[in-house]
Amino acid sequence: GESVGLHLPTLSVQEGDNSIINCAYSNSASDYFIWYKQESGKGPQFIIDIRSNMDKRQGQRVTVLLNKTVKHLSLQIAATQPGDSAVYFCAENIEGYQKVTFGTGTKLQVIP
Amino acid sequence: DTAVSQTPKYLVTQMGNDKSIKCEQNLGHDTMYWYKQDSKKFLKIMFSYNNKELIINETVPNRFSPKSPDKAHLNLHINSLELGDSAVYFCASSQDLFPVRQETQYFGPGTRLLVL
Repeated sequence: GESVGLHLPTLSVQEGDNSIINCAYSNSASDYFIWYKQESGKGPQFIIDIRSNMDKRQGQRVTVLLNKTVKHLSLQIAATQPGDSAVYFCAENIEGYQKVTFGTGTKLQVIP
Repeated sequence: DTAVSQTPKYLVTQMGNDKSIKCEQNLGHDTMYWYKQDSKKFLKIMFSYNNKELIINETVPNRFSPKSPDKAHLNLHINSLELGDSAVYFCASSQDLFPVRQETQYFGPGTRLLVL
């Protein structure tokens, strides 16, 4: 469940529609990016990653887009399903460094 | 079978107490981590261990001490608990150091700590 007073950005999407979750990252030196999914009461789950030498990467029903010029990352989920309801986090890293910095999450609500 | 397990799932305790959270992974991974997630869902790494050796020790108070008796276990001991320690603590594991080798990390279900 959610904490009282928690105000995560929330995206509500109709089942079957496409979802786009956005993330602005902070460090222009970051060159490796990851998206995580966290379902209620569970730990984060790795979804997809992308390196800075790419601007697009596709997985199963998910696509990550990277715009280094404006330090922006997006996660597109095709044909959103109720099971996609979760909090989604982006994370950034400078290759060779062990630390990953997580962004604030976005809550995705799928309306049946 | 649970890949990364943590005990307890919930922990409610008084300020000043000492408590431990246990983590075990049955994936045969060499690297394990502890993360803290605060009430705003902000996730931050605390420690990482590779082959029982401490690799990352973020700016975490000395009251927090990780212990790795073997590669499959990484426990977190917290002394003199404070109100601000209330959070969800996640254990994770990966085969090699993440993200240096871009290994996938597997997270445990979390331990919800509430300090009163």
